[in-house]
Amino acid sequence: KQEVTQIPAALSVPEGENLVLNCSFTDSAIYNLQWFRQDPGKGLTSLLLIQSSQREQTSGRLNASLDKSSGRSTLYIAASQPGDSATYLCAVSLRDDKIIFGKGTRLHILP
Amino acid sequence: KAGVTQTPRYLIKTRGQQVTLSCSPISGHRSVSWYQQTPGQGLQFLFEYFSETQRNKGNFPGRFSGRQFSNSRSEMNVSTLELGDSALYLCASSPRGGLTNIQYFGAGTRLSVL
Repeated sequence: KQEVTQIPAALSVPEGENLVLNCSFTDSAIYNLQWFRQDPGKGLTSLLLIQSSQREQTSGRLNASLDKSSGRSTLYIAASQPGDSATYLCAVSLRDDKIIFGKGTRLHILP
Repeated sequence: KAGVTQTPRYLIKTRGQQVTLSCSPISGHRSVSWYQQTPGQGLQFLFEYFSETQRNKGNFPGRFSGRQFSNSRSEMNVSTLELGDSALYLCASSPRGGLTNIQYFGAGTRLSVL
């Protein structure tokens, strides 16, 4: 059974620092992996989608990597800003068209 | 283009009642998926509708049901509410069916069951 874990559950970082969020999954037979951002009381916004055949995707200050063999993905945020404060969730899509979410990392950027 | 719209934003119900939530997808999107988000279980997939047909279903009891109309708008119904149904219910739309595609989420309906 696929499980997705995000550690730590919460993280506080001073503004301007680079940071890495972690996501691990138990079964490497995934179709793709997505990183989402969720602001308090809001829905999810898709940040990056990595297909199973890809190693990384980049968008602006964000870079996501995928290592299927070790069951890990990281989301790198460069030069963090207070506006980056949110909960970040990763989700794996499976070949039988299921999607499993991690519980997220709540990120707080300190001004 | 307007985003995904969910109504109402907040609901308070009592145990045993039933509730209907509504989701209007982005214009042109034919797939609507529903999710339940709770602090304990996180975000869990409920079901997906595509062209008025339920295409995919998660692991929830039959008290949770949905439907999709010809204009792609979708409703979700929960009957015989339980305290544990208190959650943020999110819907998402995408142009094509399937959970492997990028989905666009609404702001959610927060349901409180007393």
